[in-house]
Amino acid sequence: DAGVIQSPRHEVTEMGQEVTLRCKPISGHNSLFWYRQTMMRGLELLIYFNNNVPIDDSGMPEDRFSAKMPNASFSTLKIQPSEPRDSAVYFCASRGQYNRVETQYFGPGTRLLVL
Amino acid sequence: ILNVEQSPQSLHVQEGDSTNFTCSFPSSNFYALHWYRWETAKSPEALFVMTLNGDEKKKGRISATLNTKEGYSYLYIKGSQPEDSATYLCAWGDAGNMLTFGGGTRLMVKP
Repeated sequence: DAGVIQSPRHEVTEMGQEVTLRCKPISGHNSLFWYRQTMMRGLELLIYFNNNVPIDDSGMPEDRFSAKMPNASFSTLKIQPSEPRDSAVYFCASRGQYNRVETQYFGPGTRLLVL
Repeated sequence: ILNVEQSPQSLHVQEGDSTNFTCSFPSSNFYALHWYRWETAKSPEALFVMTLNGDEKKKGRISATLNTKEGYSYLYIKGSQPEDSATYLCAWGDAGNMLTFGGGTRLMVKP
């Protein structure tokens, strides 16, 4: 299995531009999570989906952030308009079995820099 | 708000030293404790998932113990190697597998 796939791996954009981050979870995993990692806050959960339905988006910072999961194999996180304080590494994770207990498998992350 | 704390924040050891660090978490409504290893510029990688009080898990030179009654877990590395340098994250997981992460312990092993 290829694991969780994220694209792009790196994104540099200018303030005010729209940014779209993409994630393909591991096949067969029913839950998908978007996290943001910053130096100040560490790893924080933004939103998670169960069977493609958003369950908890309380971690989404503000209306500029939106996430969708149109099907079981694809999710997007969109920032519009982007701001310099959005610069961070964004991770996607999907949930599956690990030694017969469920855990989350992380993608490689998208490193976003907003100038 | 759940409080998952890890100590120390960072640790420098010499190659060959054994080391350990701590994760403390709320003992009420406990479901699972997850340990991840996170190398720079990579993604967190699952090491252990522990659910039972007294659980001990081992993977090579790395092992972990769990005390759910007092709310702590220890991660041990025996004979540290430079390739063990990484951030070690623990996360408290609820029944829905929502994870609350600690701040991590950054381990640096000098050759």
